[in-house]
Amino acid sequence: SQTIHQWPATLVQPVGSPLSLECTVEGTSNPNLYWYRQAAGRGLQLLFYSVGIGQISSEVPQNLSASRPQDRQFILSSKKLLLSDSGFYLCAWSVRGRNARGPLHFGNGTRLTVT
Amino acid sequence: KNEVEQSPQNLTAQEGEFITINCSYSVGISALHWLQQHPGGGIVSLFMLSSGKKKHGRLIATINIQEKHSSLHITASHPRDSAVYICAASTSGTYKYIFGTGTRLKVLA
Repeated sequence: SQTIHQWPATLVQPVGSPLSLECTVEGTSNPNLYWYRQAAGRGLQLLFYSVGIGQISSEVPQNLSASRPQDRQFILSSKKLLLSDSGFYLCAWSVRGRNARGPLHFGNGTRLTVT
Repeated sequence: KNEVEQSPQNLTAQEGEFITINCSYSVGISALHWLQQHPGGGIVSLFMLSSGKKKHGRLIATINIQEKHSSLHITASHPRDSAVYICAASTSGTYKYIFGTGTRLKVLA
């Protein structure tokens, strides 16, 4: 069966510090991978998606970046965190295809607080 | 105007009540999804549908493609159904899913 691992679950970081959140998927190949952010009381905002190794599409230009060094690994990074980066970050995968298809499977999320 | 809109935003019900959450969309879709977000933050996929109706236990999801409208029904609601329910659209021709802002449901015992 497919599983998605996301860590850490919670993170408190000072302003200006770097960030690295990791997500790995097991039990499937060539998934579409997504990073979302959910601000308190708000909907899901797409940050990045990837349809293959090394392929990253950015939806929200900001101080965050993403990488996909392996087929089932997706990393969200920042060189210097801002207060506005606080939020709940969710990694998700869906079946590979030319379009968004199949249900989205989410990791348990990382609650990031920038102080 | 959001491309995917849900109503109501908040809903409080008594245990046993029949609940309906609505979702309207204005984009071309390949499928419509209903998701459940637990208080701890985890999100699970409940339904994916492109036509008609699906049922799983006490949950029923319907979609009307012509009217661009979907509903999620919960029969015999229970306090454990308390969660945020999110409607999402798989958009035609893209890799993106577009989300509604969610409906926060609280079921009282």
